[in-house]
Amino acid sequence: GAVVSQHPSWVICKSGTSVKIECRSLDFQATTMFWYRQFPKQSLMLMATSNEGSKATYEQGVEKDKFLINHASLTLSTLTVTSAHPEDSSFYICSARDLGAGEVETQYFGPGTRLLVL
Amino acid sequence: GQNIDQPTEMTATEGAIVQINCTYQTSGFNGLFWYQQHAGEAPTFLSYNVLDGLEEKGRFSSFLSRSKGYSYLLLKELQMKDSASYLCALMDSNYQLIWGAGTKLIIKP
Repeated sequence: GAVVSQHPSWVICKSGTSVKIECRSLDFQATTMFWYRQFPKQSLMLMATSNEGSKATYEQGVEKDKFLINHASLTLSTLTVTSAHPEDSSFYICSARDLGAGEVETQYFGPGTRLLVL
Repeated sequence: GQNIDQPTEMTATEGAIVQINCTYQTSGFNGLFWYQQHAGEAPTFLSYNVLDGLEEKGRFSSFLSRSKGYSYLLLKELQMKDSASYLCALMDSNYQLIWGAGTKLIIKP
């Protein structure tokens, strides 16, 4: 099956710093990647849809200047949390859509990045 | 708009069968997915239904009725490792996934 990696898996940072999270599709090309946030015991919340070579589409209520998304290649998307604050502490998960021939438009998830802002 | 409902929590016994239901309302439909998510981990794909009927995949089966806006995930021969949250997700007309809140399944010995 399709594999998506995410780095780092854990990050602890001071308030006010910026954190970059990478999402890579390892064995397929992903023209579209998705960034989710999940708070404890809650469902996934879509933050933005990242399209290769174009600007990301952000969901309502998500600050695009705070959560910078770059999808420079067909296998890599990055999410940068700028000037992180404790309320940004969460589990960030990316997924990539595999549109291989004959495939259902399944989203495959990275392992997630747990961010703790002190 | 879209709406997805699934039970918050279910409990079942090891070796038994459990059915997790998901009902939805939507104006556009391109399929229904089930994902499994263990605590602290990302979701993993279980099944996809776009046509009515039952899709069987080993111990797991998924059913869809589009006219009723209803799906279920059936887990047989339950094992302790099946303890997880099960997420129902609807793919809308824009091919975006709309997620249910998830059903936490607790397996008891």
